[in-house]
Amino acid sequence: DVKVTQSSRYLVKRTGEKVFLECVQDMDHENMFWYRQDPGLGLRLIYFSYDVKMKEKGDIPEGYSVSREKKERFSLILESASTNQTSMYLCASSLGGSKTQYFGPGTRLLVL
Amino acid sequence: QKEVEQDPGPLSVPEGAIVSLNCTYSNSAFQYFMWYRQYSRKGPELLMYTYSSGNKEDGRFTAQVDKSSKYISLFIRDSQPSDSATYLCAMTLNSGGYQKVTFGTGTKLQVIP
Repeated sequence: DVKVTQSSRYLVKRTGEKVFLECVQDMDHENMFWYRQDPGLGLRLIYFSYDVKMKEKGDIPEGYSVSREKKERFSLILESASTNQTSMYLCASSLGGSKTQYFGPGTRLLVL
Repeated sequence: QKEVEQDPGPLSVPEGAIVSLNCTYSNSAFQYFMWYRQYSRKGPELLMYTYSSGNKEDGRFTAQVDKSSKYISLFIRDSQPSDSATYLCAMTLNSGGYQKVTFGTGTKLQVIP
């Protein structure tokens, strides 16, 4: 079974803090994704990566950056957290060219 | 207008009922059509996917695609309390060699015992 794990299930941070969310997958998938999920807005793609050290902007990259130094690990960075970044963050991975994404359990981030 | 529209619900049905979940879309270039199930406080998991118009069955679940109407459905027969979850439709587009996925907002389903 594919396993995607995320470093934290719940996080509480203060406005202006730098926040790191980590995601690890164990199936040697080429592609990794970061989404945020908000009521009424669904899943929105923040960034994705199709290879180590490669990254592409998704639909809502503003205020976020990513890092992929190893194939299995994809980090999402909030450079200066703001209250409008309070959300559920979901990481996913897929084989190159595949339509099927496997999701982690999510991190609920609250920015105060 | 959103590319993918999905009624958020909630939809509440008695155990054993047939459930119909639907999405409409506007982009005729979408290629694959998928349904994900998301339990509370968990990540989405893929239920089914289909490529062409028509029906695809998997146990109690049937996915239906009508490309001419830009309409997809998921039917759940003999619904169970364990089916209570949010169901997300998703559609893919080939974007520069990468399958870009667009998700619906999800329909929350509650199956009452």
